[in-house]
Amino acid sequence: QKEVEQNSGPLSVPEGAIASLNCTYSDRGSQSFFWYRQYSGKSPELIMSIYSNGDKEDGRFTAQLNKASQYVSLLIRDSQPSDSATYLCAEKLTFGTGTRLTIIP
Amino acid sequence: AAGVIQSPRHLIKEKRETATLKCYPIPRHDTVYWYQQGPGQDPQFLISFYEKMQSDKGSIPDRFSAQQFSDYHSELNMSSLELGDSALYFCASSFLAGALTEAFFGQGTRLTVV
Repeated sequence: QKEVEQNSGPLSVPEGAIASLNCTYSDRGSQSFFWYRQYSGKSPELIMSIYSNGDKEDGRFTAQLNKASQYVSLLIRDSQPSDSATYLCAEKLTFGTGTRLTIIP
Repeated sequence: AAGVIQSPRHLIKEKRETATLKCYPIPRHDTVYWYQQGPGQDPQFLISFYEKMQSDKGSIPDRFSAQQFSDYHSELNMSSLELGDSALYFCASSFLAGALTEAFFGQGTRLTVV
C-alpha cells in the first residue's frame, strides 16, 4: 500500500464551483503535509502546507488536516480554468499519485 | 526571488552512456532532494542530502549516485543508462535548519535515453 493515497481522478468541476481533493496517509506520526500543483511537463509548485489539525486558508485555497482520521484535503473555491492541473499531496518526501483536475468553463 | 536551478534542461543520451545532472538550491537552503518522474507518474523520491551528507534514500538504482558539494549544489550521476531511465528529473531544496520543510522544485531536466 502506498504511504500517501489520493482520491482517484480525473476530477471535472464547473467553473466557479468548489473543487475538493482528498488524500489519506498511513503513518500516524506524520507531521508535515503539502499540496503541490503541477501543470503538464512542468515542475510541482507548492501551493499549501499544513502541520496542525484544522483548516488553513490562503486566498481561494483551504487545506484541511485531520490527524485522527489521517486525511488531508484541499478545497479550491471559485474554481478557474487556470486551476486545471494535477494536484499532488505530499507527506514530507513522499508524493501521492496525484489527481488531475479539469475546470470546465 | 532566486529559485532552484537545474542544468541541463534537456539531455539526450544513448543506452549505456553516462549522464550528470546538476542542481543549484535556493540560497541558504541546506537540503536537496532528487526526484524522478516518468510519463503520467507521480514524482518518485530518489535521494536527499542535508548539509552535504546523505540524509535519506529512496528508490535510487545502484547505477545512480549523487553528492552535495561544499557550495550546496548537488549532482546526480547516472551510469549505464537504460531506456527506462527516460524521465523528468526534478531537484528540490528546503531549509531544514530553519524548521521549514517546504520543498521548492527546480524546472527539471528532461532526460531521453535512445
